[in-house]
Parts: sequence; C-alpha cells; structure tokens
Amino acid sequence: QVQLDQSGAEVKKPGASVKVSCKASGYTFANYGITWVRQAPGQGLEWMGWISAFNGDTNYAQKFQGRVTMPTDTSTSTAYMELRSLRSDDTAVYYCARVSRGYGYGFYFDFWGQGTLVTVSS
Amino acid sequence: DIQMTQSPSSLSASVGDRVTFTCRASQSIVNYLNWYQQKPGKAPNLLIYAASILESGVPSRFSGSGYGTDFTLTISGLQPEDFATYYCQQSYSHPQTFGQGTKVDIK
Repeated sequence: QVQLDQSGAEVKKPGASVKVSCKASGYTFANYGITWVRQAPGQGLEWMGWISAFNGDTNYAQKFQGRVTMPTDTSTSTAYMELRSLRSDDTAVYYCARVSRGYGYGFYFDFWGQGTLVTVSS
Repeated sequence: DIQMTQSPSSLSASVGDRVTFTCRASQSIVNYLNWYQQKPGKAPNLLIYAASILESGVPSRFSGSGYGTDFTLTISGLQPEDFATYYCQQSYSHPQTFGQGTKVDIK
C-alpha cells in the first residue's frame, strides 16, 4: 500500500533552517511528483510547491522562492523540503503528498504523509 | 494567483442531512478542482478530483459538480464520521491554491 512517512517534529530558532524528509513506499517513486503543503496552527492549507520525481522539475510558490528547496533522492524514494531563514510565522505542520495527474484531470494529491510539526521560537 | 472562495465557512447539520457547499474560483479553472476532507490532527484526505471523480474508496454519498468558476460538494446523508473541515483546491495554474475551508459540525 502507498505510504509516505515523514520525519519527526523539529524546534528551530529564528534564522535557522529545517529539512523535513518524506520516505515513500508502495509505488514507483519516479512515476509521480511530490508536493509540500503547510498548515499553521488553526489555519487552512497552504501550497508551497512541488517536484517531479521523474525529471526533477520544480515549481515553488512565489512566497517561498529563494527560501525553499524540494530535492528528491530516487535511490531511497525520499523527498525533502528545506526551508531557510525561518521566522516565527513558519511555525506549522508540514505535509508531503503524492501528486497524481491525468490528461484532463489536472494535479491531485492522493496520498499524504502524517505531517511534521516545525516550531520556530527563540 | 487564482483565489478560491468557499462558502459557507461553517455549517451545523444533523446525521442524515443532505449538505452542499460551494467553492468559487476567481477565474476559470475548467474542471481542475479537487476536494479534501480533514479531521482534527490528521492529514487531509482526497475525496474528489477533476471536479466530479470520486477517489477510490470514498463513499458514494460524496459527490462533486461544476465547471469553470463554480463548484459544489454534496454529502447525501451525513454520517457521524463526516464531521470535519472540507477544502477545495485548484490545480489549473501555479501556485495551486486552496479555499479557506468549510467546517461541518454537529447541530
């Protein structure tokens, strides 16, 4: 069965970086993309960007441009999200999700990781 | 960026009710509209993609419709496990944006 297992909670100081991992299993990793979505406490969902595990193409939300990278390691079927220059308003649960797409269907996120809480506090 | 607006932001309903909520895009997104359910402390769960296609394993009481800018999600016969927050999401263009959510709670 498809599963995405994320790394554990992190506490970081302002200005630091965080790297969250997302290990995929149960499907051919290179055939799909991975997206990252975050959710601040009590708030809605915010799309951060995505990467194609097939060719490494990325698209990041402009809000995070220059601060985020989303590499993958196809040898271990693992995706990563690194966010730099952390601020207190980056405190959120960060989710990875598998990206499926079909002709005429667009993208959709059909399997999700369990989420990783990142707390940014001095 | 395409703005997604959901209404209402919350609603109270009873088990067995038929509930419908809407999602409006700020420009046409054809049928590139997905719906997710999220329960407290859990990851979102895909219900419907491409506006009307039921994801595998999702109960048939959920249905979606719409095209262009206006979309609806209907639950026919609300069950206790359906009390949750529902989000729409467009994948027509980057950044892929979510609506602010509709919270369904028990009347």
